[in-house]
Amino acid sequence: QSVLTQPPSVSGAPGQRVTISCTGSSSNIGASYDVHWYQQLPGTAPKLLIFGNINRPSGVPDRFSGSKSGTSASLAISGLQAEDEADYYCQSYDSSLSGYVVFGGGTKLTVL
Amino acid sequence: QVQLQESGPGLVKPSETLSLTCTVSGGSITSYYWSWIRQPPGKGLEWIGYLYYSGSTSYSPSLKSRVTTSVDTSKNQFSLKLSSVTAADTAVYYCARVLGFCSAGSCYGGRLDPWGQGTLVTVSS
Repeated sequence: QSVLTQPPSVSGAPGQRVTISCTGSSSNIGASYDVHWYQQLPGTAPKLLIFGNINRPSGVPDRFSGSKSGTSASLAISGLQAEDEADYYCQSYDSSLSGYVVFGGGTKLTVL
Repeated sequence: QVQLQESGPGLVKPSETLSLTCTVSGGSITSYYWSWIRQPPGKGLEWIGYLYYSGSTSYSPSLKSRVTTSVDTSKNQFSLKLSSVTAADTAVYYCARVLGFCSAGSCYGGRLDPWGQGTLVTVSS
């Protein structure tokens, strides 16, 4: 079981908007640690998509946006395109034990 | 720009030690913290640990007893050793650069960027 909870799958038609949630607790997201999002296309390494809750690295389309509130964060993808079909992971930090990096279990996005 | 490349044996026997190296190009290994992450086939990502060239480290609580890392500044490389492996350690192993505030061996959840392409390590006799 992952410390951060994501839905296993989401889907949407081209042009639609989808959101992927990432739910944590008071020892990670709720403790004000940043949330980052990664996109993993089939057979490739993860790529940073959103950092510091809301920021996009250079080259990432503004169709991708992030938000955070309380113990949860969300990734929104608008104007869905076929090439967005991938696995998406959230990442944060948990202060329990001696502190460690935590990932969500991943969400498979299917473009219908 | 910084690029990373993992290398090492693709097959390791149970109870033996898995050893991997990550070669950094396009930047100095002394300028950042670095991380190892793994992904079992068909499953999600699991953080293994952080390391800094000074010797500062931070490891996953679940792997801490079996993990050792090191840095070779002369080769701009860092390494991972995982001892007493079992089939559960079969995974694609990634190395990545850590960006964000780091101190005393931890980066408090800094972002991982970029990642290496990953290398599959299978544990089997």
